[in-house]
Amino acid sequence: DTAVSQTPKYLVTQMGNDKSIKCEQNLGHDTMYWYKQDSKKFLKIMFSYNNKELIINETVPNRFSPKSPDKAHLNLHINSLELGDSAVYFCASSQVHSFKAETQYFGPGTRLLVL
Amino acid sequence: AQKVTQAQTEISVVEKEDVTLDCVYETRDTTYYLFWYKQPPSGELVFLIRRNSFDEQNEISGRYSWNFQKSTSSFNFTITASQVVDSAVYFCALSESNNNDMRFGAGTRLTVKP
Repeated sequence: DTAVSQTPKYLVTQMGNDKSIKCEQNLGHDTMYWYKQDSKKFLKIMFSYNNKELIINETVPNRFSPKSPDKAHLNLHINSLELGDSAVYFCASSQVHSFKAETQYFGPGTRLLVL
Repeated sequence: AQKVTQAQTEISVVEKEDVTLDCVYETRDTTYYLFWYKQPPSGELVFLIRRNSFDEQNEISGRYSWNFQKSTSSFNFTITASQVVDSAVYFCALSESNNNDMRFGAGTRLTVKP
């Protein structure tokens, strides 16, 4: 069984559309994260949720809205997609919100291409 | 501010060669954590190691070894007798104890040729 799964794996869409990426972890972890990896491979944290509560909210456009229906799921909704949103989005989870000490496990990534 | 520098953008070696990937970090915190992740061509991120700032003992895991030196703020990663399957982008990352953030370096793309 996949520990951290994301759907879809690939997403191609037009500018201006609204899209969602789903993430699920079956590790029983309390904390989940969203990262963005740009074309230069630079990884940057966007959000983290601990037990359905928003902990980290980096400076990302408010077109990006995370939603955590339960601690096993953290979905990312993006409104009014722009060309610059094209990237690979990674979901991750860790046991507690202290990933300084705990390992983060990453999903396979969602490759978003905005045309 | 915390910062991670991986000065080597790309490295190419021939199979069975040893290769060292450099990672230099900056932090004002005395308690921090360092990580290495591997991103193979398939795209997933694979955890390799976590080290806290109080543990300078070097670690060896099979063909992989890590050299942590606080004096030079470095956490270098060596692959011995490299194999084609080692071809990937390798990321070094830093997390401080006083903030809930993990900063990744820009990554080093390693290509191992047969």
